[in-house]
Amino acid sequence: AQSVAQPEDQVNVAEGNPLTVKCTYSVSGNPYLFWYVQYPNRGLQFLLKYITGDNLVKGSYGFEAEFNKSQTSFHLKKPSALVSDSALYFCAVRDTDSNYQLIWGAGTKLIIKP
Amino acid sequence: DAGVTQSPTHLIKTRGQQVTLRCSPKSGHDTVSWYQQALGQGPQFIFQYYEEEERQRGNFPDRFSGHQFPNYSSELNVNALLLGDSALYLCASSLRQGARDTQYFGPGTRLTVL
Repeated sequence: AQSVAQPEDQVNVAEGNPLTVKCTYSVSGNPYLFWYVQYPNRGLQFLLKYITGDNLVKGSYGFEAEFNKSQTSFHLKKPSALVSDSALYFCAVRDTDSNYQLIWGAGTKLIIKP
Repeated sequence: DAGVTQSPTHLIKTRGQQVTLRCSPKSGHDTVSWYQQALGQGPQFIFQYYEEEERQRGNFPDRFSGHQFPNYSSELNVNALLLGDSALYLCASSLRQGARDTQYFGPGTRLTVL
């Protein structure tokens, strides 16, 4: 069965420092991986996705993520955090081209302190 | 270019009642998926509609049903409401039904069941 784990409920980072939000996955086929961000009382905003090709994926708002097949990980990163990055971040996965539903992690709350 | 829209924003119902939530997809999108997000959790896939048919369904009872109209908009119906149905209901649209396609989310409908 497919699953996604976000091992940290909360990540605290000082403004200007690099940030990492961790995600590991388990799928039976090839993974399609996604990151979304959710602000309070808002829907989910797409940040980036990995389908195939280059393991380093660049997305919106300066975020990037690195796909690591051997470690089954897809960690979200940003070189310099902003206070406005504070939000709830979700990792999601699909496997195979015939399975359309996204399987989601529980989310990681990112807090950027000035 | 309008994004995904949902109505209503908030809804309060009592146990046993029925509710209908509505979603208009992003311009040019033909596929709509529905998710339930309980407080403090990641979204759970309910079902996906494409070409006016339910194409895939998550682990939700038959009390949850839907419909897609020729203009690609969609409705989610929940019958015999339970307290546990209280959640944020998210609609997502995509350009195609494929597993590689990005889903774009609306702001959600907050359903409270008393």
